[in-house]
Amino acid sequence: GAGVSQTPSNKVTEKGKYVELRCDPISGHTALYWYRQSLGQGPEFLIYFQGTGAADDSGLPNDRFFAVRPEGSVSTLKIQRTERGDSAVYLCASSLLSKPTNTEAFFGQGTRLTVV
Amino acid sequence: EDKVVQSPLSLVVHEGDTVTLNCSYEVTNFRSLLWYKQEKKAPTFLFMLTSSGIEKKSGRLSSILDKKELFSILNITATQTGDSAIYLCAVGTNAGKSTFGDGTTLTVKP
Repeated sequence: GAGVSQTPSNKVTEKGKYVELRCDPISGHTALYWYRQSLGQGPEFLIYFQGTGAADDSGLPNDRFFAVRPEGSVSTLKIQRTERGDSAVYLCASSLLSKPTNTEAFFGQGTRLTVV
Repeated sequence: EDKVVQSPLSLVVHEGDTVTLNCSYEVTNFRSLLWYKQEKKAPTFLFMLTSSGIEKKSGRLSSILDKKELFSILNITATQTGDSAIYLCAVGTNAGKSTFGDGTTLTVKP
């Protein structure tokens, strides 16, 4: 597709379960970001990949959160032992240049995660 | 800690009005300031600003950056109902990380 694709669009899970959220960036985009957005707030940075490696994972809230991008394209955000406080919209974005803050990032439609 | 503050938090205007949205920031190693429009889930890009005093313009929208006073404004003239959205300001650093403000929710009434 032409844009950033995120699946699933909605995910409801029980507290304590494991979830995986997928992001398929625009083809050729080397930089990939994950953000978390709660109601009434702006996107909160989680992790940034440059190619296959995590260039900055300082936004991951704790060790229950992990993200991979093994082939430098699709990325998966993994959350273990989910808690109700993890409920949010998880946004993925990608950008073309090696210095992504020099150019716009394209966002996916997000995954709305609800932990019950 | 990097910080981006947007004001006002929300704004209600009527069609045809002009609005000014504000974004102030405190970040280490500033690289760029970006404005996004968020209508449902995915923010869409409006402007990227890297230099002070140079206005970026697109139709009825314009934006300018002041790197000395550490703020940016986004102006929308002759507002339309389709301008109703959350407007997000983000600041990028040399390290690649972007910090977002909490947005301004604009409602344009017919």
